[in-house]
Amino acid sequence: DSGVTQTPKHLITATGQRVTLRCSPRSGDLSVYWYQQSLDQGLQFLIQYYNGEERAKGNILERFSAQQFPDLHSELNLSSLELGDSALYFCASSVSSTLGETQYFGPGTRLLVL
Amino acid sequence: GQQLNQSPQSMFIQEGEDVSMNCTSSSIFNTWLWYKQDPGEGPVLLIALYKAGELTSNGRLTAQFGITRKDSFLNISASIPSDVGIYFCAGQKGHEAESNFGNEKLTFGTGTRLTIIP
Repeated sequence: DSGVTQTPKHLITATGQRVTLRCSPRSGDLSVYWYQQSLDQGLQFLIQYYNGEERAKGNILERFSAQQFPDLHSELNLSSLELGDSALYFCASSVSSTLGETQYFGPGTRLLVL
Repeated sequence: GQQLNQSPQSMFIQEGEDVSMNCTSSSIFNTWLWYKQDPGEGPVLLIALYKAGELTSNGRLTAQFGITRKDSFLNISASIPSDVGIYFCAGQKGHEAESNFGNEKLTFGTGTRLTIIP
């Protein structure tokens, strides 16, 4: 158990709909990252938040948005869903040491858009 | 999006055999990480490497951070059935890069699927 929790585990919805994925980082971790895993693109970085502020953006579509709340949990909002958005969505939180930073992943949310 | 070149793509081995896989990049990374992913689960961290040339072990697993900082290797000795899964390398630019922002994201390899033949 990495200590990172994600809900829901599975989500089935229809095209055009909007969903919210939730992530709670490990206790004390300030950074939250969102990644998308699809068969054709592999694991791809979407967005990073650090202590409530957006820190970096990757290949995140404009239809997607995220936020991190004062209690450090994060939500990823996916809107106007398309069939191609079906994927596994992971969040990770990180701990920094004098050596460097290590990211720990949650169990993921499997999204199926029909 | 960018993915690191990881090879082999898949491996079929017998229990007890040793396994080697590697990951290469066209750009430098300051941290290399190796993860294992079981079906329907999140990636689990196996080994973290923070220094060029570093050789680190975790039980039967040994990983090396290449001297050029553009590659990394993972070896598994005396494989057992629970080693089955997909192994991913991941590179991170880290804090030595020009800007501290956006360099903590991980760039993942294409994965190596390990299967153990009975």
